[in-house]
Amino acid sequence: AQSVAQPEDQVNVAEGNPLTVKCTYSVSGNPYLFWYVQYPNRGLQFLLKYITGDNLVKGSYGFEAEFNKSQTSFHLKKPSALVSDSALYFCAVRALNSGNTPLVFGKGTRLSVIA
Amino acid sequence: DGGITQSPKYLFRKEGQNVTLSCEQNLNHDAMYWYRQDPGQGLRLIYYSQIVNDFQKGDIAEGYSVSREKKESFPLTVTSAQKNPTAFYLCAITPLTGPGDYGYTFGSGTRLTVV
Repeated sequence: AQSVAQPEDQVNVAEGNPLTVKCTYSVSGNPYLFWYVQYPNRGLQFLLKYITGDNLVKGSYGFEAEFNKSQTSFHLKKPSALVSDSALYFCAVRALNSGNTPLVFGKGTRLSVIA
Repeated sequence: DGGITQSPKYLFRKEGQNVTLSCEQNLNHDAMYWYRQDPGQGLRLIYYSQIVNDFQKGDIAEGYSVSREKKESFPLTVTSAQKNPTAFYLCAITPLTGPGDYGYTFGSGTRLTVV
């Protein structure tokens, strides 16, 4: 079975400071991993994905994520947070050879960037 | 949310009433999904369809029904059997063929409230 854990319900960071939103996963075999962002009363927007290749993935709005196979983690990072980054962030996973099974999402982490 | 349209944006349901949420797409994507979002619970899969005239139950299908008569449409009916339907409902689409894996494109959501 596939699963995703986002251990923090809420992350607070000061504007200009680096931010990290944590994600760990469990799949059989190699994973496809995704990060999405959601603003109030909107659908989820794609930020970045890891399929194969470099462990550091760069995405939209200056975000990046580091894939760590030994720790089964895919933490989202940004060097300098903006107030406009405040939103709900979701990590999602499915197994590489799972035959198009649906993505499994974490419960989300609310990021609050304080000016 | 270009290419995928959810309607209505807000919907109110009386006790014992069935209501239908619309999801339409013009991107010719194969697969369509319905998720339910509740605070603190992330996204939970209700139903999904990967081909016309076929669909699969997700984790919380009880009290819901779907149809996929056309590739571009995947309506969700919330029946009176769903005892706690108040939630934010998200539709998502993805292609299933191509050179690599794809994430989902989400609609802007429908907020359903029982009155």
